[in-house]
Amino acid sequence: AQSVAQPEDQVNVAEGNPLTVKCTYSVSGNPYLFWYVQYPNRGLQFLLKYITGDNLVKGSYGFEAEFNKSQTSFHLKKPSALVSDSALYFCAVRDIGTGGYNKLIFGAGTRLAVHP
Amino acid sequence: DSGVTQTPKHLITATGQRVTLRCSPRSGDLSVYWYQQSLDQGLQFLIQYYNGEERAKGNILERFSAQQFPDLHSELNLSSLELGDSALYFCASSVTSGTNTGELFFGEGSRLTVL
Repeated sequence: AQSVAQPEDQVNVAEGNPLTVKCTYSVSGNPYLFWYVQYPNRGLQFLLKYITGDNLVKGSYGFEAEFNKSQTSFHLKKPSALVSDSALYFCAVRDIGTGGYNKLIFGAGTRLAVHP
Repeated sequence: DSGVTQTPKHLITATGQRVTLRCSPRSGDLSVYWYQQSLDQGLQFLIQYYNGEERAKGNILERFSAQQFPDLHSELNLSSLELGDSALYFCASSVTSGTNTGELFFGEGSRLTVL
């Protein structure tokens, strides 16, 4: 079965510093990988996805993610963190079930805290 | 705004009761997904419907059921509620179901508190 793991419950970073939120995956076949962000009392917002092609994927709000097949990782990055980036971040992988219908399997989430 | 609408936003009820959560997908989206987010279980996939038919089932309890209507809105019914059912329930939608690239668009969620 497809799965993703987010090894850090929380990441703390100072404003202006680069940030990385880690995600590793386990899939059979080619992975379709996603990052979502959840602000307090809000739904999940799509940030970016990797389907194929360039290993560096650019997304919303200045975020990008690097797909690394050999390390089975898909880490989320941003060159300069903002306090407003503080939120809960989820990595997800597409899982295709019987009949070809897909759903997303989410990691446990990583809370990002950006300090002024 | 994702375009996915969920009602109610908040719901407080007692153990043993039954509630219905409603979801309207984005215009044009045929697939509806339900997820449960709780503190100890994270974001768990419950069930998926495509154009009115159930397509995938996850860790959904037998006390829970869902359906998607001809106008594509969906309802999640939770019965014989227990304290542990307190959670945030999300609906998400996508254009197709089979081989699309997969991103889902989430509503703001319905927060259920069972007392």
